[in-house]
Amino acid sequence: GAGVSQTPSNKVTEKGKYVELRCDPISGHTALYWYRQSLGQGPEFLIYFQGTGAADDSGLPNDRFFAVRPEGSVSTLKIQRTERGDSAVYLCASSLNAGAQETQYFGPGTRLLVL
Amino acid sequence: RKEVEQDPGPFNVPEGATVAFNCTYSNSASQSFFWYRQDCRKEPKLLMSVYSSGNEDGRFTAQLNRASQYISLLIRDSKLSDSATYLCVVTLTWGYQKVTFGTGTKLQVIP
Repeated sequence: GAGVSQTPSNKVTEKGKYVELRCDPISGHTALYWYRQSLGQGPEFLIYFQGTGAADDSGLPNDRFFAVRPEGSVSTLKIQRTERGDSAVYLCASSLNAGAQETQYFGPGTRLLVL
Repeated sequence: RKEVEQDPGPFNVPEGATVAFNCTYSNSASQSFFWYRQDCRKEPKLLMSVYSSGNEDGRFTAQLNRASQYISLLIRDSKLSDSATYLCVVTLTWGYQKVTFGTGTKLQVIP
């Protein structure tokens, strides 16, 4: 079946602009995660959704970052007033539920470059 | 101290060699452990879970040592296709699976 999809695959923007990154999880998966991966680093947790609610947003670096999942499926990560330091690959993952042994399936990521 | 630490490598090994990676974690309450594989410019994919009793999947063996707080991955008879970054993943369950990734260990298998 279809895996996790993310759009756009690449995004180039200018410092100060607003961007939206979209994640379409595997159908039926209730848990959705956003991560950020910088070059040479492992993915860094940003936010976790269970259904429509953000159960843990402790990884969001500051209030310029916000994410929604209004219908419990597709999620959008929103970054306001982008900075060059926001350049990274933004990964989305979903799992059937939030159990400890559940496998997280990752999307291909959105490569964000802020000029 | 980082929550999850890995030697970034790179580990350059000849085809057919055996190679082992370790990963240490700092939170003794960590509950689940995984190894993910990430190819260049691709997303991470689950390689295997790591259980206290150890587990094996073909050429890959994973071990967990809770007392010393580390996990290991052993790859036997390395193939060129094993070249990738191997990410150690440690989770806590706080009502959900709170995941921490290591920085990854890069493996390059050489012909």
